[in-house]
Amino acid sequence: DTGVSQNPRHKITKRGQNVTFRCDPISEHNRLYWYRQTLGQGPEFLTYFQNEAQLEKSRLLSDRFSAERPKGSFSTLEIQRTEQGDSAMYLCASSNRDRGYPEAFFGQGTRLTVV
Amino acid sequence: KQEVTQIPAALSVPEGENLVLNCSFTDSAIYNLQWFRQDPGKGLTSLLLIQSSQREQTSGRLNASLDKSSGRSTLYIAASQPGDSATYLCAVLMDSNYQLIWGAGTKLIIKP
Repeated sequence: DTGVSQNPRHKITKRGQNVTFRCDPISEHNRLYWYRQTLGQGPEFLTYFQNEAQLEKSRLLSDRFSAERPKGSFSTLEIQRTEQGDSAMYLCASSNRDRGYPEAFFGQGTRLTVV
Repeated sequence: KQEVTQIPAALSVPEGENLVLNCSFTDSAIYNLQWFRQDPGKGLTSLLLIQSSQREQTSGRLNASLDKSSGRSTLYIAASQPGDSATYLCAVLMDSNYQLIWGAGTKLIIKP
């Protein structure tokens, strides 16, 4: 068990380009969360999955954002037509709902810079 | 709507001191509360998790307490070290939808 893994760690892109991030959760974890964090703030919830089902999406997740978890394992977060305001750290977390008290474990994040 | 507040926003103390970080929340219908550490530009490391039925948890020099009825948690760090310098965030897991609601964090600097 290597923990939650996120790739890439850093991404610099030009405004208007599409980007995709990947998250590999801890293997037995059935819940997967995406958060966005800007400098000096706590993480903001974007969306979460229970297995392959996307159960909730934040209003922060505009139609330019899409997330998938096709087989209930890894997840991808795509941002289309990136804007400078999308620059942030994107964090992924996983937990096991079947445990009595689910503890969230986080990856190291993907830092996106839109220039 | 749940709101989580952390005070102070920043704290600087000399090495060796004991210190307390505070976290308060407005809605007591929580499943658990977690304290995390975040180093600059890095992800989040879970430090302690307190179930809603528990009062405190300890790990090494760290002790976290929870008073659910008053909506408060504290993180106590004993004998602080320069390596403890980081941002400390608390987050509550909501009973209703299993979402984590976060405070903005306390930036801690331990001076050698």
